[in-house]
Amino acid sequence: QKEVEQNSGPLSVPEGAIASLNCTYSDRVSQSFFWYRQYSGKSPELIMSIYSNGDKEDGRFTAQLNKASQYVSLLIRDSQPSDSATYLCAVAIPGGYNKLIFGAGTRLAVHP
Amino acid sequence: KAGVTQTPRYLIKTRGQQVTLSCSPISGHRSVSWYQQTPGQGLQFLFEYFSETQRNKGNFPGRFSGRQFSNSRSEMNVSTLELGDSALYLCASSLEGGRTPSWRGYTFGSGTRLTVV
Repeated sequence: QKEVEQNSGPLSVPEGAIASLNCTYSDRVSQSFFWYRQYSGKSPELIMSIYSNGDKEDGRFTAQLNKASQYVSLLIRDSQPSDSATYLCAVAIPGGYNKLIFGAGTRLAVHP
Repeated sequence: KAGVTQTPRYLIKTRGQQVTLSCSPISGHRSVSWYQQTPGQGLQFLFEYFSETQRNKGNFPGRFSGRQFSNSRSEMNVSTLELGDSALYLCASSLEGGRTPSWRGYTFGSGTRLTVV
């Protein structure tokens, strides 16, 4: 079982819709979770971090964490074509200093 | 504030050669991590340095090594290059020492794209 799992996609949504990206992780004691966005040919860019159960909102983005279900999600409201990218879920390894384990990423395509 | 700077941006090397990649973290950041990204394996952790000490190492062969200098700049070296080492090598820096739930994660550099022929 992979440590961090994501649906590879592509997830295709129309402009203006809500895009929902999901991620599950295997290590129950993980505490910190991150969403990165990576455009084709570019490096990953941090969008959100979350470490408490519940929702965390930042502009059009909402991260949701459910530690009991070992599940993290990212909602993108009012999706724009510029949101088309690969979204990487990452989990900090407990006691692993600054080490993140990344999922394979979900490719999001927002069409006009 | 300058971001994470990686040099060079592109490299083409021949099998059997060695290569050194450089990373300058954001000013004030003392933690530097390195990742290899390939289409098949995604982002794989190589190692992490904090205050010149390697604190964590991924599952890569000994041909992959790194170091960090007193100014927090870091280098990674790959010896005896293989075709499978062709990848995007990403450096990421972080302010905090880690090991806390509220750690805010990394900022990545633009990467060095290494092609081994």
